[in-house]
This record gives sequence, structure tokens and C-alpha cells, in this order.
Amino acid sequence: EVQLVESGGGLERPGRSLRLSCVGSGFIFDDYVMHWVRQAPGRGLEWVSSISWNGNNIVYANSVKGRFIVSRDNAKSSLFLQMNSLRPEDTALYYCAKGPSATLMAYLDSWGQGTLVTVSS
Amino acid sequence: DIQMTQSPSTLSASVGDRVSITCRANQSINIWLAWYQQTAGKAPKLLIYRASNLKSGVSSRFSGSGSGTEFTLTISGLQPDDFATYYCQQYNGPSPSTFGQGTKIEIK
Repeated sequence: EVQLVESGGGLERPGRSLRLSCVGSGFIFDDYVMHWVRQAPGRGLEWVSSISWNGNNIVYANSVKGRFIVSRDNAKSSLFLQMNSLRPEDTALYYCAKGPSATLMAYLDSWGQGTLVTVSS
Repeated sequence: DIQMTQSPSTLSASVGDRVSITCRANQSINIWLAWYQQTAGKAPKLLIYRASNLKSGVSSRFSGSGSGTEFTLTISGLQPDDFATYYCQQYNGPSPSTFGQGTKIEIK
């Protein structure tokens, strides 16, 4: 069974940084593209970033480009999201999700339960 | 970026009803569209991918159709567990992926 477990969320002040992690199990981690999706309180889903199986191809939403950095460590079946220059509008539940293959842009066939990030002074 | 617009935003229905949700893209995305269900406090679940392919294990009451810029999710015979929020997602690479704003199905 595929499992994705996010961690690293919390309360942080505007302008500061936070690093999210996601550990995958139940599948061969380095065979798949991985994604981050966020959901602000009471709002819809927003795709944030996608990273290829080897980390060589990465895409970001315009809203986070230049501030967030996605990476992965296949040896540890882990996905990361380094969030810099945080803004109040980054407040959201951040989901880690798995793609169905090595294709960068794809649907998301498994999701974690999310980790909550709150940006406030 | 490709913009996705869902309608309606809210839909009131009864158990047993057949309902449809529409998702429109502002440019052609071929068949690169997925549908998700999200119940309160839970992570989204994939229902349909490639516009009309049902994910294994998902009830056949759910069906998807469309191509190009207009897509439909249909639920035949609403069940109590189906009262949830539904999202479409386009993944027409290399464009960044985007979601629709969601459609909430409420009990009438």
C-alpha cells in the first residue's frame, strides 16, 4: 500500500523559511514523479511544484517561483520543499502526492494527509 | 497558465440523483484531465484520469467524458458518501498543472 507522510509544518513569521518533508513507502520511490499541492483554509487545491524521478526536471507555480525549492533524496524515499521568504498567503495545508509514472505533468494517484503551514506575525 | 473553470460551484441534490459537473479549460488540453473527490478534513482522492478512465477500485457510478476544452464528471445514483467537493485538474505538459475551483455537492 502506498503511504506518503508529510512533516515539517508549523507557525512561522513572514519572511522566514520552513522546510517540509515527505516520506514515501509501499512503492519504488525513484520510479515516480512527485508533487506538492497546497490548500489554503476553506479554499480549493493549488498545484505548487513537480519534480522528476531524478530531480533534473522541476516545475513551479508562478506564485512560489523564486521562493520555494523542491528536491528529493531517492535513497531515503524522501521529498522536500524548502519554503523561503514566506508570505501570509502561503498559509495552507501542504500535500505531498505521487504521480503515476515518470511523466512530469500528470495526475496524482496517491496523496498524503498534509502538513499545515501558518505564516503570521 | 491554463485556467480551469468548474460549474456549478455548489450543487444541491438528493440520494439517488444523477448529477453532472462541468470543467472548462481556456485552451485545449486534449484528454489530460483528472477528477478528484475530497471529503471534509481528508486528502483528495483520484477518481478519473485521462478524462474518462476510472481509477481501479472507484465505483462505476462515476464517469468522465470530454476532450479539448470541455469535460464532464457524472455521478449516477448519488450515495451518502458522494456528498463532497470535486475538483478537476489539467496536466497538459509542459504547462504547469492547474485545478478548477471545486464543486461542492450538498444534500438537498
